[in-house]
Amino acid sequence: GAGVSQSPSNKVTEKGKDVELRCDPISGHTALYWYRQSLGQGLEFLIYFQGNSAPDKSGLPSDRFSAERTGGSVSTLTIQRTQQEDSAVYLCASSLSVPSSDTQYFGPGTRLTVL
Amino acid sequence: DQQVKQNSPSLSVQEGRISILNCDYTNSMFDYFLWYKKYPAEGPTFLISISSIKDKNEDGRFTVFLNKSAKHLSLHIVPSQPGDSAVYFCAARTYSGAGSYQLTFGKGTKLSVIP
Repeated sequence: GAGVSQSPSNKVTEKGKDVELRCDPISGHTALYWYRQSLGQGLEFLIYFQGNSAPDKSGLPSDRFSAERTGGSVSTLTIQRTQQEDSAVYLCASSLSVPSSDTQYFGPGTRLTVL
Repeated sequence: DQQVKQNSPSLSVQEGRISILNCDYTNSMFDYFLWYKKYPAEGPTFLISISSIKDKNEDGRFTVFLNKSAKHLSLHIVPSQPGDSAVYFCAARTYSGAGSYQLTFGKGTKLSVIP
């Protein structure tokens, strides 16, 4: 498949542990986004990578959250010292970042449960 | 201070009838609006979009209307089919500088099409 893939699909962790979530964007897409969807909420923007530019981290809720994108492709979202309120579905999206439409293609998400 | 609001969390429509999903926004800097459809356990998929310079865009059974003066857009699905049953997210785009675009999502409306 040529779509966005994410791993793991489900992650259960204990409060205080660190977790890493992985995203493989569509090949050739220069833009990569992380969102999270908490229960009953819309998609909340977390961070955005565009090519080699510095990422837009304006949506990260705390300094426990960080993300990196290696080689302009795969991205990892890391949550340190997880809290129960971090429980959510974490979605990754990629796009060509074309100004005329900028359609984002989403992965299936990682469901994170913090006990 | 939600910038994109979908005030109806759910909507039920009979098969063959028209489904109308509504979305209101507050930020006049949004330049592009998109609708995404989401099935359970899957990521959102792009459905249809409209530029802020237009008032209507049609694609098959799906039409999006934009009323800029009212800061309101709507998605019409006609005729509705059982396979249209999903959560529909309204999203609005802003340009945040240095080639960076950001989408702001509503909380979604769950559409149920009854056979």
